[in-house]
Amino acid sequence: GQQVMQIPQYQHVQEGEDFTTYCNSSTTLSNIQWYKQRPGGHPVFLIQLVKSGEVKKQKRLTFQFGEAKKNSSLHITATQTTDVGTYFCAGLNTNAGKSTFGDGTTLTVKP
Amino acid sequence: DAGITQSPRHKVTETGTPVTLRCHQTENHRYMYWYRQDPGHGLRLIHYSYGVKDTDKGEVSDGYSVSRSKTEDFLLTLESATSSQTSVYFCAISEFRTDSNEQFFGPGTRLTVL
Repeated sequence: GQQVMQIPQYQHVQEGEDFTTYCNSSTTLSNIQWYKQRPGGHPVFLIQLVKSGEVKKQKRLTFQFGEAKKNSSLHITATQTTDVGTYFCAGLNTNAGKSTFGDGTTLTVKP
Repeated sequence: DAGITQSPRHKVTETGTPVTLRCHQTENHRYMYWYRQDPGHGLRLIHYSYGVKDTDKGEVSDGYSVSRSKTEDFLLTLESATSSQTSVYFCAISEFRTDSNEQFFGPGTRLTVL
């Protein structure tokens, strides 16, 4: 079945440093979604990428979808303590009718 | 936040007992999902539903069953709970389309099986 790999599993940064998490799928995706889960909370939808090579920005967050629609990345510029949490990617394979989640990258930010 | 609730929010039970978790939505979304979340495993799909009485298995469905008799309710049942089913369970809803599957998650149920 479809597999979605996410790296790194953990990332510890100093406040102000940049952060990137990468997502790779074993199959071509219809789209990819990104979610954030704060400690003790539930996953919250951030964004969805659909087109090959698509780049979207949300303030300090930049999301990219690869040309082959099999990989994606989330980059945070100048991290803040409010960025703490686990970031998940989820790849949609229309033929399968459901999304597959990566294992997530847990970000901690040291003030 | 989307209108999605889960009950109970916390439950402690003993091995071998049946357990039912409820997910309720007020958004009239067609698709509903049950995930479990364990350290190091992210979110793993247990079962999902694409309409009333229409359900399908996810990647970790063994030991779980589901039912959806109304659009707004999706029940997850552990027929005979085991310690390996100790986890946090999340329900999610979505309006699935061919190029879109934005999911809204409930607050989660923390289940402990002793």
